[in-house]
Amino acid sequence: GEEVAQTPKHLVRGEGQKAKLYCAPIKGHSYVFWYQQVLKNEFKFLISFQNENVFDETGMPKERFSAKCLPNSPCSLEIQATKLEDSAVYFCASSQLRGTRHQPQHFGDGTRLSIL
Amino acid sequence: GNSVTQMEGPVTLSEEAFLTINCTYTATGYPSLFWYVQYPGEGLQLLLKATKADDKGSNKGFEATYRKETTSFHLEKGSVQVSDSAVYFCALSANTGRRALTFGSGTRLQVQP
Repeated sequence: GEEVAQTPKHLVRGEGQKAKLYCAPIKGHSYVFWYQQVLKNEFKFLISFQNENVFDETGMPKERFSAKCLPNSPCSLEIQATKLEDSAVYFCASSQLRGTRHQPQHFGDGTRLSIL
Repeated sequence: GNSVTQMEGPVTLSEEAFLTINCTYTATGYPSLFWYVQYPGEGLQLLLKATKADDKGSNKGFEATYRKETTSFHLEKGSVQVSDSAVYFCALSANTGRRALTFGSGTRLQVQP
């Protein structure tokens, strides 16, 4: 599609439960990025993909967070054994290469994750 | 590492006032620079960009110039409207290696009628 589509818009989980978020990038975009927006607007980069391959995972907490981008499926971000501190808005963005130049990232509307 | 510093908000202006939101950055090499806007309850929208020194990005009356000598990318608008009320984020990305955006802390703009 023409927009980055994130589902669900809002997800509520009890502490210790699993949370799974989905992102469909813009058609033709080969890069997908996940960011976490916490209180006071701070954005933290988590992970990026080039097609189905992990491109950069330097921001990803290793213990409980995992992510995938499989062919013909939305990308996903999964959090096992959620903690209160995981409460945040999770944004997905996609971008494309034109020649050797990266184009700007386009963002979805985010998934608000609330851990109770 | 890379970093972006924005002026603290909130910034409160009357309609038709002049807007400046300061942004400075630290980066190795020659990053691309962006301004994104976030309206309440929505995602980030790209407002404008500049990819090399002295480039001026512009959109919807907003402008910002990539100043390498002062490592700045200040956002300006000559006459703000109530509909411009939002949070504005300055961001950069490296043009090699990691492509992730590094964001400033955001500046909330409130425009009063």
